[in-house]
Amino acid sequence: GIQVEQSPPDLILQEGANSTLRCNFSDSVNNLQWFHQNPWGQLINLFYIPSGTKQNGRLSATTVATERYSLLYISSSQTTDSGVYFCAAVGDTGNQFYFGTGTSLTVIP
Amino acid sequence: NAGVTQTPKFRILKIGQSMTLQCTQDMNHNYMYWYRQDPGMGLKLIYYSVGAGITDKGEVPNGYNVSRSTTEDFPLRLELAAPSQTSVYFCASSRTGGGSQSGSPLHFGNGTRLTVT
Repeated sequence: GIQVEQSPPDLILQEGANSTLRCNFSDSVNNLQWFHQNPWGQLINLFYIPSGTKQNGRLSATTVATERYSLLYISSSQTTDSGVYFCAAVGDTGNQFYFGTGTSLTVIP
Repeated sequence: NAGVTQTPKFRILKIGQSMTLQCTQDMNHNYMYWYRQDPGMGLKLIYYSVGAGITDKGEVPNGYNVSRSTTEDFPLRLELAAPSQTSVYFCASSRTGGGSQSGSPLHFGNGTRLTVT
């Protein structure tokens, strides 16, 4: 299956700062999604983004499929942004999502 | 809409016991998935289903069984529980498959925390 690597593994930010999280994948993808796991363990879908750029409020994501990476941007971070951010990818063949090991974000007031 | 509902939220099993984790969705999604999440790790796919009556193995299927008799329900069965099955289990659903050209978001339940001692 596809190898999915995320960086950095951990990130600590002051409230109001901006950040960029990276997701590299080892092969062509049909499907790429970003998720936020909050401190209570709930997984929330942020973006479905196999290519291109999308924005949702203070969050935006860009996937450059030809170079096999995706970026998640968080602007003006808030304490509620804390948690773990996962990306998951599906290759050109098959239905399985392969998850990275996540970026753990802590936003301090 | 309730989305994806998992029960129970927590469970402690003794080694060798069996149990069924329940998952139901009310979004009429064809695709359903079971994942496990170990501490500090991403999610690993156990089994998935592309519709009622059809299931397939994921990355880590050993020790588990599934069935899909209806579109709404996708229970996960653990037979002969082992300490290695201590984990958080997530059920998810999507309208289309992960490999579809018209992909759709994965929706997750809130998880079941299972401890096997």
